[in-house]
Amino acid sequence: DTGVSQDPRHKITKRGQNVTFRCDPISEHNRLYWYRQTLGQGPEFLTYFQNEAQLEKSRLLSDRFSAERPKGSFSTLEIQRTEQGDSAMYLCASSRRGYNEQFFGPGTRLTVL
Amino acid sequence: GEDVEQSLFLSVREGDSSVINCTYTDSSSTYLYWYKQEPGAGLQLLTYIFSNMDMKQDQRLTVLLNKKDKHLSLRIADTQTGDSAIYFCAETLYGGATNKLIFGTGTLLAVQP
Repeated sequence: DTGVSQDPRHKITKRGQNVTFRCDPISEHNRLYWYRQTLGQGPEFLTYFQNEAQLEKSRLLSDRFSAERPKGSFSTLEIQRTEQGDSAMYLCASSRRGYNEQFFGPGTRLTVL
Repeated sequence: GEDVEQSLFLSVREGDSSVINCTYTDSSSTYLYWYKQEPGAGLQLLTYIFSNMDMKQDQRLTVLLNKKDKHLSLRIADTQTGDSAIYFCAETLYGGATNKLIFGTGTLLAVQP
């Protein structure tokens, strides 16, 4: 396994711009999660995919956020019209059906100026 | 409700044992996890315990679960400077289809040489 990868690792953007992040899970992991972590806090769940189906979305995921996993492999998280409050670390995790461990990627740190 | 609490900071000397504590409120927790996060990095899964177990040992790590008091602890034997990091406990809930993780706020472990 090469591990969960995320791209980019860092993103600086101006308020009002759109940003898109990518997550590549561990191969054969059919479950994929997005979390958001702000400074000094633990990660908070955003959304969950089982294969290509998005099965749960947190109330934290406002209308400006959209996530996709079109072929059941990589996933993208897009934030439209970014706000300063969106500044955070966005973490992706994956797991295999029937197993309880979630493995995390290195995260994408977003800074909104 | 879902709430996981941890003390914010722990300082130990190299070679001593560290004990990091966590309390949770939801009695329907199924699995409880310990993750380690080094500065600027993603989360590394250290160990986890099923809610019907009292203890789990894995090399230098010992997890103790007191289900009656909803208390979880992680003991690190012979703590090393490389153990300096933030440690998060997390839970998943019974009946949750997604197995999303609910994290505590994290405990910063500082190991003094």
